[in-house]
Amino acid sequence: GAGVSQSPSNKVTEKGKDVELRCDPISGHTALYWYRQSLGQGLEFLIYFQGNSAPDKSGLPSDRFSAERTGGSVSTLTIQRTQQEDSAVYLCASSQGGTGGETQYFGPGTRLLVL
Amino acid sequence: GQNIDQPTEMTATEGAIVQINCTYQTSGFNGLFWYQQHAGEAPTFLSYNVLDGLEEKGRFSSFLSRSKGYSYLLLKELQMKDSASYLCACPPPGNNRKLIWGLGTSLAVNP
Repeated sequence: GAGVSQSPSNKVTEKGKDVELRCDPISGHTALYWYRQSLGQGLEFLIYFQGNSAPDKSGLPSDRFSAERTGGSVSTLTIQRTQQEDSAVYLCASSQGGTGGETQYFGPGTRLLVL
Repeated sequence: GQNIDQPTEMTATEGAIVQINCTYQTSGFNGLFWYQQHAGEAPTFLSYNVLDGLEEKGRFSSFLSRSKGYSYLLLKELQMKDSASYLCACPPPGNNRKLIWGLGTSLAVNP
């Protein structure tokens, strides 16, 4: 089926505004990840969902960041009161969610610019 | 803890062979991934090694030595389109889904 999709592809917002980023994983994938990547930097893990288990939120940089995954499929990453340092590409990935090392498939990302 | 090291940048010539190294330190081992990321695009999966040795996929091969905590990605017959960042990643022990990522090796292929 289709790959991981994300929306919007680009988002420009003003400092202090809230933003919502959406991720549609590959159908049937039970694991979903959010990452952040600043220009020229590596991937920074934010949060991980696996089935109905409690998400691993250990990578969220502050309490302004939150994420939900409804119905075990679509996920929304919300950034409240955005700051300029939040500007980055936000990448979503999904995997089958089995045991052992798993291949993660990435969406095209949302490029967020906070003015 | 877990640490992954790879060179920051490499340069090679079209048609040549290049080897991109990755070393990791971990208290356990659950395999090693290589991803390719073109500028402005998302990472795409290249290979996954869990056993020692060389695995070949066309022009790209990946090697693993668990005893040495070492892997490399070998790119043959380089093409201009191979210019990209190559990311090495390992799942940490006890949680084999949350990958720990290296910072990536930026490869420039020149004519």
